[in-house]
Amino acid sequence: DAKTTQPNSMESNEEEPVHLPCNHSTISGTDYIHWYRQLPSQGPEYVIHGLTSNVNNRMASLAIAEDRKSSTLILHRATLRDAAVYYCIRNSNSGYALNFGKGTSLLVTP
Amino acid sequence: DTAVSQTPKYLVTQMGNDKSIKCEQNLGHDTMYWYKQDSKKFLKIMFSYNNKELIINETVPNRFSPKSPDKAHLNLHINSLELGDSAVYFCASSQVLSTGELFFGEGSRLTVL
Repeated sequence: DAKTTQPNSMESNEEEPVHLPCNHSTISGTDYIHWYRQLPSQGPEYVIHGLTSNVNNRMASLAIAEDRKSSTLILHRATLRDAAVYYCIRNSNSGYALNFGKGTSLLVTP
Repeated sequence: DTAVSQTPKYLVTQMGNDKSIKCEQNLGHDTMYWYKQDSKKFLKIMFSYNNKELIINETVPNRFSPKSPDKAHLNLHINSLELGDSAVYFCASSQVLSTGELFFGEGSRLTVL
């Protein structure tokens, strides 16, 4: 049980920004929010993670709502290579491994 | 130079057979995992080892037995294979359990006939 809710699928045009939402309304104060993505026929790869503040890295940005009940993964300029299933995961620092839900399947069109 | 490598990539076998999947990581991580991704694409944790000790053992049939000879290796042995064991099995590693970034292998697709 990943305890997050994401849309099943989204579509974006190439070179446009993509905002992938995630709802985690029952999140506790110590839960981190992780994002991974899985390209076709590959293993998942780490994208970004955060706790309270917004985070940026070379792949994406993570915007976390002030009440932490939702977050948004932002791809600033989608490319065809970004077509993948994106997983939003919350977990606590309690020694449990990440549990993946169904994720959002992102389609990027030229 | 592959960080997390699994062998074999593909495995086709008959029901009732015993098979193993091997995993090695060269990242110096302390924690390794096995995940199963079924036909519906759900990715579920099966086992986690930290410094060769079993940390997480989810509800998995005891036909599945992980073995960690050292902290760079985590192998998965499956006895008496069943049709429902057909899936893609992913090995992963991280430096820190639960909050550390997971590095996944490319997966081992097991097909049981």
